[in-house]
Amino acid sequence: DAGVTQSPTHLIKTRGQHVTLRCSPISGHKSVSWYQQVLGQGPQFIFQYYEKEERGRGNFPDRFSARQFPNYSSELNVNALLLGDSALYLCASSTGEGYEQYFGPGTRLTVT
Amino acid sequence: GIQVEQSPPDLILQEGANSTLRCNFSDSVNNLQWFHQNPWGQLINLFYIPSGTKQNGRLSATTVATERYSLLYISSSQTTDSGVYFCAWEADGSEKLVFGKGTKLTVNP
Repeated sequence: DAGVTQSPTHLIKTRGQHVTLRCSPISGHKSVSWYQQVLGQGPQFIFQYYEKEERGRGNFPDRFSARQFPNYSSELNVNALLLGDSALYLCASSTGEGYEQYFGPGTRLTVT
Repeated sequence: GIQVEQSPPDLILQEGANSTLRCNFSDSVNNLQWFHQNPWGQLINLFYIPSGTKQNGRLSATTVATERYSLLYISSSQTTDSGVYFCAWEADGSEKLVFGKGTKLTVNP
C-alpha cells in the first residue's frame, strides 16, 4: 500500500509569491493534517481537515489556507510568502478517529 | 498548556550501545506517539503508545500515563538509528499533534 505522498519535493519561491503544496493520504484515511517544521525545531500544527471540513487550525496567519477534496487529498496554500515561511511542510494522514497519524516525506520550501 | 521535557537533548553513541530516551509531561497526555526523523526529514512512526509497553525489534517503548512519562529504548544501536527522536501527543481533544523538542541521536561506527 502506498503511504502518504506529497508534492513537490522541493520548491524555491521569491518573497511575495504564492505557493500550493499537495498531499495524498493513505488509502482509506479521511483526515489530513499539515505541519510546518523550521530548522532545529519540532513540527508545528497548521491545519487539520476531516471529511472535507476544517477540524482544527493552529496559530498561523491568514496567509495560510487549506482545503480537502472529495478523494481526501489536500492542498496547503500560502500567500504573500515571507522569508520566515522557509521550512519543511509535512502532511499527516489518519483515519480521523483519534488514532495513529502517518507522515509524508515533506515538501522543503525555500523563500528567497 | 502541557509542558514536556524531552531528554537528553543530544546523545552520541558507539554502534552497539544501548540508550534510553525520555519524555516527561506536566499533565496527562492523549495518544502518545514516538517518531524518528531521519536526516532527510522523513518522520517515521515508531510507536503509538498511549499506555503500556510495546516492542518492535531492537526498539521498545513504555508509557506510564499515571506518572506522566514515556520511555523509548534503543538496543544494539546502528548508524541508521541516527536522527532526531520526537515524542508527540494529541492536544485539545483533537488530532493536533504537539511535539517535544526532540533528542538528537548520533551513532558512530
